[in-house]
Amino acid sequence: GQSLEQPSEVTAVEGAIVQINCTYQTSGFYGLSWYQQHDGGAPTFLSYNALDGLEETGRFSSFLSRSDSYGYLLLQELQMKDSASYFCAATGGGGNKLTFGTGTQLKVEL
Amino acid sequence: EAQVTQNPRYLITVTGKKLTVTCSQNMNHEYMSWYRQDPGLGLRQIYYSMNVEVTDKGDVPEGYKVSRKEKRNFPLILESPSPNQTSLYFCASSTWTGMNTGELFFGEGSRLTVL
Repeated sequence: GQSLEQPSEVTAVEGAIVQINCTYQTSGFYGLSWYQQHDGGAPTFLSYNALDGLEETGRFSSFLSRSDSYGYLLLQELQMKDSASYFCAATGGGGNKLTFGTGTQLKVEL
Repeated sequence: EAQVTQNPRYLITVTGKKLTVTCSQNMNHEYMSWYRQDPGLGLRQIYYSMNVEVTDKGDVPEGYKVSRKEKRNFPLILESPSPNQTSLYFCASSTWTGMNTGELFFGEGSRLTVL
C-alpha cells in the first residue's frame, strides 16, 4: 500500500518562512511532488523531487530524503495569497500511480 | 488554451439515478485519472487510464465505472449513486514524461451531492 502523512494545519505570519513536512510509505517509489489548492479549486503542480536534495523554484523549495522516506516544502517570504492547502504526492507503482497525502492547510496571517 | 474540462461543475441528484461526469483534455495526454476529494482524506484515486481502451482501478473504485474510447475523453459513470458518493471530483491528465515527474493537470472539479 501507499500512504503519506502531513500536518493538517500550519499557521505563519506574512513575510516568514514555513516548512510543510511529508513522510511516505510507497511501494516502487519514484519521486515526491507538491501541489497547491485554493479553496477547493483545481490543484496545481508546484515541484517534484526524484533525487535527494533541495529543488528551488522562486520562493518555493522542495526537499527529499529517500533514505528517510521524508520530504518537505519550504515557502519563503510568505504572502497572504499563499494561504491554501498543500498536498504532497508520491509517484509509485511502476510510475503510473500518484497517491496524495491528506493535505496541509496553510494560514498566513498579518 | 491547454485545459482539462469537466461537466457538470455542480450537480444535485437522488439515490439510484445514473449519472455521468464528463472529462475532456485538449493536450493530447496519454494518461488520465479521476480523483475524489473528501474533508480530511485528501485526494483519492478512483480510476486511471494509461491510454485509449486501457483503464485500471485506483484506490476507491467501488460504485464507479469509466471508459476511454477516445484519447481526449475519460467520463466517470455512477450507475446507481448513493449518498456516500457525495464528494468533490477531479479529473486530471498528464503525458508519460509528466507522470514520471508527478505533474498532473487538473480540471476545475465537479461537486456532486447525492440525496
